[in-house]
Amino acid sequence: GEDVEQSLFLSVREGDSSVINCTYTDSSSTYLYWYKQEPGAGLQLLTYIFSNMDMKQDQRLTVLLNKKDKHLSLRIADTQTGDSAIYFCAVPMDSSYKLIFGSGTRLLVRP
Amino acid sequence: EPEVTQTPSHQVTQMGQEVILRCVPISNHLYFYWYRQILGQKVEFLVSFYNNEISEKSEIFDDQFSVERPDGSNFTLKIRSTKLEDSAMYFCASMGQAYEQYFGPGTRLTVT
Repeated sequence: GEDVEQSLFLSVREGDSSVINCTYTDSSSTYLYWYKQEPGAGLQLLTYIFSNMDMKQDQRLTVLLNKKDKHLSLRIADTQTGDSAIYFCAVPMDSSYKLIFGSGTRLLVRP
Repeated sequence: EPEVTQTPSHQVTQMGQEVILRCVPISNHLYFYWYRQILGQKVEFLVSFYNNEISEKSEIFDDQFSVERPDGSNFTLKIRSTKLEDSAMYFCASMGQAYEQYFGPGTRLTVT
């Protein structure tokens, strides 16, 4: 079955860029997603990329997709303390479009 | 902006009791899902629902679980006889034509 892997922790200084990485195994996914989870809160859809694109930019967020290597990344420019959260990569599977999640990367932004 | 809502936010129940978790998906969405997240673990798919029937279910979704869309707006998850290991955060999600899956805030279920 699909497996989605992420590193568990990233610490950056406020104002720096953050890059969160994700690898997946199933190459048939049409969209790939990034979700953000703040403490005690639900999963907020942050951004997504269509599989025939290799880059998508949305304000401070840049998503890069390398289909050959099955690697997805999320870059946050000018990271702020409010960006501290857990970031999940999610890959849809099957006709039901169920999402398979990575374990989440906890981003800590230091002042 | 439309959003998925869930009630209650926290449910405490005794082992063996039945619980019903409720969700109101986004109104023009057609695909509905339940996921759960045990503390410290990955978010796991439980079940998907489309056209008034289950379209897919995971191995976790055994006979103690059921889903319903009783009135065209609510979407419920029932756990018939709760076990300690059912303690988790349960998330409802809905998806429209644009393949964007939106999640509710979750219900924290604690089984004692």
